[in-house]
Amino acid sequence: EAQVTQNPRYLITVTGKKLTVTCSQNMNHEYMSWYRQDPGLGLRQIYYSMNVEVTDKGDVPEGYKVSRKEKRNFPLILESPSPNQTSLYFCASSGWGTDTQYFGPGTRLTVL
Amino acid sequence: DQQVKQNSPSLSVQEGRISILNCDYTNSMFDYFLWYKKYPAEGPTFLISISSIKDKNEDGRFTVFLNKSAKHLSLHIVPSQPGDSAVYFCAASGNTNAGKSTFGDGTTLTVKP
Repeated sequence: EAQVTQNPRYLITVTGKKLTVTCSQNMNHEYMSWYRQDPGLGLRQIYYSMNVEVTDKGDVPEGYKVSRKEKRNFPLILESPSPNQTSLYFCASSGWGTDTQYFGPGTRLTVL
Repeated sequence: DQQVKQNSPSLSVQEGRISILNCDYTNSMFDYFLWYKKYPAEGPTFLISISSIKDKNEDGRFTVFLNKSAKHLSLHIVPSQPGDSAVYFCAASGNTNAGKSTFGDGTTLTVKP
């Protein structure tokens, strides 16, 4: 089954404790993105990647890092999380030449 | 500056009637537009799209209309069903660059039985 998986689905942590949210897709897609969803602000892109070792900032990259060492994986790293990063995070992927994105189920992060 | 706007946070319609969700954009470089549907506790799923070379695209009960001169698109659902109750996001991209989509804030549609 074609899918995008994210782990963990729920995470409660404390300020400053480094964390990683994993994302994996099994569709051999070139493009992958991370979004955060906040009430009244819709989906805002954090980072995106056009292929292995090629990443670029989205609209709200501050406080986040990403890496794309393998085509299927695109982890989101919060080196020193802060309460304003409490949000619902989505990973998405899409294939070359198409704009249709496939989203993961979301990770709800709470930073205390 | 928000480049894609959905000015109605919520919409409520009766089952069987038409639902019309609206979206406005400001960036004239956008040439591809998509609608996604999102249920609670799930990720958004693709619903329907339209290229800027068209003004209408239809898929079953769902039709998207694009008015380039007004920088406006709308999603029509006819007839609306209770299972259509969800959050609908409008998204836009340019040059088929799938890595860089801009989303609106979303409109919550409630279809009452």
